[in-house]
Amino acid sequence: QQPVQSPQAVILREGEDAVINCSSSKALYSVHWYRQKHGEAPVFLMILLKGGEQKGHDKISASFNEKKQQSSLYLTASQLSYSGTYFCGTEEHNFNKFYFGSGTKLNVKP
Amino acid sequence: GAGVSQSPRYKVAKRGQDVALRCDPISGHVSLFWYQQALGQGPEFLTYFQNEAQLDKSGLPSDRFFAERPEGSVSTLKIQRTQQEDSAVYLCASSYSSGIAVSQETQYFGPGTRLLVL
Repeated sequence: QQPVQSPQAVILREGEDAVINCSSSKALYSVHWYRQKHGEAPVFLMILLKGGEQKGHDKISASFNEKKQQSSLYLTASQLSYSGTYFCGTEEHNFNKFYFGSGTKLNVKP
Repeated sequence: GAGVSQSPRYKVAKRGQDVALRCDPISGHVSLFWYQQALGQGPEFLTYFQNEAQLDKSGLPSDRFFAERPEGSVSTLKIQRTQQEDSAVYLCASSYSSGIAVSQETQYFGPGTRLLVL
């Protein structure tokens, strides 16, 4: 039920790109992406609902594959402010219950 | 406007003590969620309310955990006879839930209550 996130941790230099993956063995109803900074609440990034969907804003985007079993978060030209732990939250059916992945810790260095 | 607030922000309890954690959702938000987040892990679902109705409590780890939202706004998560394994950050989230699927709604998280049971 809990989605699998990879990698567990990423270290980048400012301006570099990163991809974070979230996968499930079952077709998902939705995927939510959040970023959490140390000691703070998770902050919503985006929701994907449709197979094949891609969406994004600024230099952060995400995709949801056709089978709705995998989502990827793309961070391009990373900034120091991107540092934090990224979680995907998934829902297998419309039961209003979410399973979060274990997170990917991103550290962007100058 | 104000976001989701939680109190207390930190709580230290002796093993066996009862604790009550409060969540004030964003005004007008119908849905309210409680999560438990252990150190270095993602949030784990505990329970879900739509207005005052508790629609799902399948994530509550034991009968020592109890949640309520009597008037459909403020919610309280109560833990009786706390154990060391209850130590975690307890997050509350709310969403507007305008009648469409809750999964299509953004969840707004509070800052959490960090509970330490000694």
